[in-house]
Amino acid sequence: DTGVSQDPRHKITKRGQNVTFRCDPISEHNRLYWYRQTLGQGPEFLTYFQNEAQLEKSRLLSDRFSAERPKGSFSTLEIQRTEQGDSAMYLCASSSPDGGPVGEQYFGPGTRLTVT
Amino acid sequence: TQLLEQSPQFLSIQEGENLTVYCNSSSVFSSLQWYRQEPGEGPVLLVTVVTGGEVKKLKRLTFQFGDARKDSSLHITAAQPGDTGLYLCAGALTGNNRKLIWGLGTSLAVNP
Repeated sequence: DTGVSQDPRHKITKRGQNVTFRCDPISEHNRLYWYRQTLGQGPEFLTYFQNEAQLEKSRLLSDRFSAERPKGSFSTLEIQRTEQGDSAMYLCASSSPDGGPVGEQYFGPGTRLTVT
Repeated sequence: TQLLEQSPQFLSIQEGENLTVYCNSSSVFSSLQWYRQEPGEGPVLLVTVVTGGEVKKLKRLTFQFGDARKDSSLHITAAQPGDTGLYLCAGALTGNNRKLIWGLGTSLAVNP
């Protein structure tokens, strides 16, 4: 399977705990995106990497959220001191500037976070 | 301010009916994509439109990009229960091809 993968698929945590999610993009894609999505809504942009550089962060991304892509391949998204409002689906997507129209993104299956 | 307005937000129809979903903006996009998402899964890219006035067909789905590249529509002919899902449009603004602007989605239920 050469698609985008995310781990874990589901995470239940207690308020105040830290969680970390992993995303493995399509291997030849140099762009990687993190989104948050709540039920019935469209994805909300969180942050974007080109190779290992984090080029943009949403104002939605409080200082409790941090994302890394240390070698320009996989990425991690960490949420510290989780709150109930952090409960959502966290989606990762990757894209390539080559071989297709600008902006096409390929999504992973998402990580469903529930904060109790 | 929502840059991409999708309508309707919810749609429940019977199998065999036709439907159209709209995606509108006052902004000009260099490209616009349509995605379909099933519960518990990530969005899946259906089509990308790039040229104003462009029409693309994917089996029973017809996608159109407005002449001014500010709006798009998705028409489904003879809907089937397997078409049920959340349909999302997303556009790349001209001059900024790094980030997509997303609509809020249209939740479609096709009843057998």
